Amino acid sequence: GAVVSQHPSRVICKSGTSVKIECRSLDFQATTMFWYRQFPKQSLMLMATSNEGSKATYEQGVEKDKFLINHASLTLSTLTVTSAHPEDSSFYICSAPRRGTGNTEAFFGQGTRLTVV
Amino acid sequence: QKEVEQNSGPLSVPEGAIASLNCTYSDRGSQSFFWYRQYSGKSPELIMSIYSNGDKEDGRFTAQLNKASQYVSLLIRDSQPSDSATYLCAVRSGGAQKLVFGQGTRLTINP
Repeated sequence: GAVVSQHPSRVICKSGTSVKIECRSLDFQATTMFWYRQFPKQSLMLMATSNEGSKATYEQGVEKDKFLINHASLTLSTLTVTSAHPEDSSFYICSAPRRGTGNTEAFFGQGTRLTVV
Repeated sequence: QKEVEQNSGPLSVPEGAIASLNCTYSDRGSQSFFWYRQYSGKSPELIMSIYSNGDKEDGRFTAQLNKASQYVSLLIRDSQPSDSATYLCAVRSGGAQKLVFGQGTRLTINP
C-alpha cells in the first residue's frame, strides 16, 4: 500500500486564491520531504526541500513567498500555492525518503493536479 | 550538460521483446541510482534501485550500473503492453537526500 499520502488529488481554483496541498508519511517519520512540480511531458523539477522544525530550502528560481511550505510534524508537510495564477497549473508531487536496511529510498505521494482558472 | 540525461524517446518495442533504457549522469560522486515508472497522470513508482557496479535483477527487470562510464540502464524482459509508460532515471549524490531526475523515456510496447 501507499507509504506517502497526498491530498487533494485534484483541485480547481480561481486566479488569486490560495490552495493548500498536504503530504503525509503513513508508517514512518520523515524529517525531510521534497516537493516537485511536473509540467506536461516534462520531468519532475524539484521546487523545495521541506525540513521538520525549520525553514524549507528552495531551489533557484522558486519564489518562497508564493510557495509556502510548512513541516510542522514528523509526518506532515504542506505546500500552499498563494495567489495562484493560470501559469501555476501543474502536477505537484511530494516525496519522502524512507530508510530501509542500509539504504534510503524515496516514495512519492499520489500527486495533486492543480488547475487555476 | 544536464546532470542526468535520458533519451526522451518515444521508444517502441514489440510485445515479448526486451526493452532497454539508458541513463547517464555527470556527478562522479553519485552513489544511489533509481528507476521509476510513471503512468500518464500518475506519480512515479519505484521499480528498481541499484547502488553498486554490476547487475541487479528483480523479476523481469534488470538494472545495470557502470560507475566508471557513469551510466545506468534498465532492461525489461518479455515486455508487456502494461509496461508502456515513462521511465524516469534518478540519481542521488553524496550525503544529499534529494534526487535529480532525468527527463524520462517514453516506452510503448506494441501488441
